[in-house]
Amino acid sequence: GAGVSQSPSNKVTEKGKDVELRCDPISGHTALYWYRQSLGQGLEFLIYFQGNSAPDKSGLPSDRFSAERTGGSVSTLTIQRTQQEDSAVYLCASSLGTPGGGQETQYFGPGTRLLVL
Amino acid sequence: GQQLNQSPQSMFIQEGEDVSMNCTSSSIFNTWLWYKQDPGEGPVLLIALYKAGELTSNGRLTAQFGITRKDSFLNISASIPSDVGIYFCAGRAAAGNKLTFGGGTRVLVKP
Repeated sequence: GAGVSQSPSNKVTEKGKDVELRCDPISGHTALYWYRQSLGQGLEFLIYFQGNSAPDKSGLPSDRFSAERTGGSVSTLTIQRTQQEDSAVYLCASSLGTPGGGQETQYFGPGTRLLVL
Repeated sequence: GQQLNQSPQSMFIQEGEDVSMNCTSSSIFNTWLWYKQDPGEGPVLLIALYKAGELTSNGRLTAQFGITRKDSFLNISASIPSDVGIYFCAGRAAAGNKLTFGGGTRVLVKP
């Protein structure tokens, strides 16, 4: 597609349920990032995938959060046993490659708005 | 960990005014990026800076990479109504791939 797409665009769930958020990066982009944005706040890094390398999971806030990237393309962020504080916008971004010059430019999707009741 | 302080947190603009915002870091970055986010959308890259002292323009936008590598500013000249939105700075340290984002500057139109 022309840009990064995310689904669903909105998700309302009950506390304790598991949710899966999907990201389709721009075709050919080898790097994929997940961020969390709480209301009125900046972006908080969650996890980074680069090609076939082991992902950088250093931003995941707890072991209830996990992500995978199948076939080097689509990624799924899973939140288990959701809590109310998980409510936020989850943004995905992709880039052509590793940092250095223009290849690091991250293109963001529109985000998934998660509300945990 | 690394933190970025972005100021002001919000500002009101009147059409035609110049506006300025900045970010300061507690540590050195080797890349500074400025993004704009409109409601309901993801951030869009405005300007990327890769060298200390670099001054780069994109239309009415100008950004500079501070000499100390711990700060950056963004100027918008002759603001127009569509400049409203949230502007984020982001920096990348010498090691690693993660971007650290500032808290954002919300630009609003004066009533």
